[in-house]
Amino acid sequence: SQTIHQWPATLVQPVGSPLSLECTVEGTSNPNLYWYRQAAGRGLQLLFYSVGIGQISSEVPQNLSASRPQDRQFILSSKKLLLSDSGFYLCAWGGIISTDTQYFGPGTRLTVL
Amino acid sequence: AQTVTQSQPEMSVQEAETVTLSCTYDTSENNYYLFWYKQPPSRQMILVIRQEAYKQQNATENRFSVNFQKAAKSFSLKISDSQLGDTAMYFCAFIVAQGGSEKLVFGKGTKLTVNP
Repeated sequence: SQTIHQWPATLVQPVGSPLSLECTVEGTSNPNLYWYRQAAGRGLQLLFYSVGIGQISSEVPQNLSASRPQDRQFILSSKKLLLSDSGFYLCAWGGIISTDTQYFGPGTRLTVL
Repeated sequence: AQTVTQSQPEMSVQEAETVTLSCTYDTSENNYYLFWYKQPPSRQMILVIRQEAYKQQNATENRFSVNFQKAAKSFSLKISDSQLGDTAMYFCAFIVAQGGSEKLVFGKGTKLTVNP
C-alpha cells in the first residue's frame, strides 16, 4: 500500500531564516505530487505541483519554491521566511491522471516568529 | 472561476443521529470529479468519498453517502449513525478535467462536532 511521509511535523523559525520541508511517497511510481498550504480557519491553497522529476508548476507567486530531485521526493523551500508563511503545509500524491484522487500526508505546522 | 461554497461553518449532531453537510460549486465544465475530505484534530486530510460527475448514481461509503444534484451544482454529504470519531473539519472539493492543468479546488470547510 502507498504511504506518504512529511517532516518535520512542527517547525518554529525566525523571520528571514531558510526553510526546507520534505515529502516522500512509498509504494507507488511516478506519482503526481502537490504542496498545499492551509491558513488558520481556511481551506487549502495549492502552492506547487509536479508531474515528474524536475518538473514543477507554481500556482501562487511568493517567496517559496519547490523541487523534485527524485521520483517520490518533493521538497518545499524558502531562502528567507516571512511572517505570512506561517501555516499548515500539506503534501499530497495522486495518480498520473491529474483527476485521480489525491492522498495527503500528515502535514507540517510552520510558525514564523 | 471555479469555486466551492460550504455555507455551514459549524454544525453539531448527537451520537447515532444523522447529519447532512452542504456544498455547492460553480463550474461551466461538464466533466469533473467531486470529493469530501475529513480533517480530524490530527490535521491529516482523509478522503471520505469521491463522485464522478458523469455518474448519476450517488456514491456511498459505509455510513457516508452523497446527494449529488448536477443541475443544481450541489454535492451534500450525509453521515448516518454519527460516531464520536466523526468529529472533524469536512472539506468539499472538486476538480475539472481540462486536459492537463487540473487543480483541486476546496471549500472553506464545515466543523462538525458529534456530541455524546
